[in-house]
Amino acid sequence: GENVEQHPSTLSVQEGDSAVIKCTYSDSASNYFPWYKQELGKRPQLIIDIRSNVGEKKDQRIAVTLNKTAKHFSLHITETQPEDSAVYFCAASHTWGRGSTLGRLYFGRGTQLTVWP
Amino acid sequence: DTEVTQTPKHLVMGMTNKKSLKCEQHMGHRAMYWYKQKAKKPPELMFVYSYEKLSINESVPSRFSPECPNSSLLNLHLHALQPEDSALYLCASSQLTRTYEQYFGPGTRLTVT
Repeated sequence: GENVEQHPSTLSVQEGDSAVIKCTYSDSASNYFPWYKQELGKRPQLIIDIRSNVGEKKDQRIAVTLNKTAKHFSLHITETQPEDSAVYFCAASHTWGRGSTLGRLYFGRGTQLTVWP
Repeated sequence: DTEVTQTPKHLVMGMTNKKSLKCEQHMGHRAMYWYKQKAKKPPELMFVYSYEKLSINESVPSRFSPECPNSSLLNLHLHALQPEDSALYLCASSQLTRTYEQYFGPGTRLTVT
């Protein structure tokens, strides 16, 4: 099955700095890579995703890059703000073909991001 | 509307109780999921229903029993739980065609005493 590794496990940055979280995956069949943000006591919230036919995607201050050859993808947050403090999870999935694993998410272990004012 | 709702928000139950968690979505999604999440860990998949049929059971103990009455509803029946089952139980839903974004409900915080 798929194995997703996520680093670092904790990340502290000063407000206004950039933050980068990196993930690797093992299954070359994976073609969909979402990122979730989970604030304390709240649900995981989908913040951005990328599909394997795209190398980069941006949405305001967040961006995700994908290197299919190296099987890694990264989340970039620019101009960080205290409200960006949360646990971030990367995930991988395959969305083609059939079988019980279609659409199933394989999560990384999470990164606790703390943004200091 | 990308909302998945769950009830109750909090649940405290004894080890001999029977209770149920409920999940609802009206996005027309045909896949629904139950996850268990411990503090600061990723969600751990328990069950998946695809087109109202159980497609994945991650070797979950039989004291957890899922049910999908229709395409919008998902239940998780609980019986004879153990204290180590205390966790946040998350429901999620997604499409199985075109887009696969998975949306989570707010969860039920379960405490087993």
